[in-house]
Amino acid sequence: AQKVTQAQTEISVVEKEDVTLDCVYETRDTTYYLFWYKQPPSGELVFLIRRNSFDEQNEISGRYSWNFQKSTSSFNFTITASQVVDSAVYFCALSEAPSGTYKYIFGTGTRLKVLA
Amino acid sequence: DSGVTQTPKHLITATGQRVTLRCSPRSGDLSVYWYQQSLDQGLQFLIQYYNGEERAKGNILERFSAQQFPDLHSELNLSSLELGDSALYFCASSVGLDPSSHEQYFGPGTRLTVT
Repeated sequence: AQKVTQAQTEISVVEKEDVTLDCVYETRDTTYYLFWYKQPPSGELVFLIRRNSFDEQNEISGRYSWNFQKSTSSFNFTITASQVVDSAVYFCALSEAPSGTYKYIFGTGTRLKVLA
Repeated sequence: DSGVTQTPKHLITATGQRVTLRCSPRSGDLSVYWYQQSLDQGLQFLIQYYNGEERAKGNILERFSAQQFPDLHSELNLSSLELGDSALYFCASSVGLDPSSHEQYFGPGTRLTVT
């Protein structure tokens, strides 16, 4: 069965620290997509990144980087030199199409608090 | 601002009642998704429409239904409401069906409180 696990419920760091948010997924499909979304206090979810199952290259976007490892079914997200504005709930999500239509499964989210 | 609009922002109603939540997708987006976010269940995918047709169903209760109209706006109908239906309901839209090239843009959500 499809599942996304974000074991870290809440993380607190001091500004400028690096922080890694973990995401472990389960799927039987060979073709699937992984996503990270940010939900700031305002509530609206913001798309951060998409990765397909055939592309294991790590990606860096400014202070954000993502590490995708199929061998461990993980898609971890690292924020370098964290800032107070990074405080939010971060969701990892999986999309797959076991019966031909894509469905989306979200993890329970990790609340990140960056303290000044 | 994602370009996805949802109304109303807040809704308070009593158990047993019926409500309708409305979503207007971004201009040009044909696909609409509905999600429920509650404290104990997290973010749950409910249903997806594409160009007026239902395309995927998630954990949507039978008391809930949705539709997408010719102008592409969508409505989520919740009936026989229970206390446990209190949640934040999000709508998202994307250009197409394939997540390989079309990410979802989320609206601000409708907060439903059932008393």
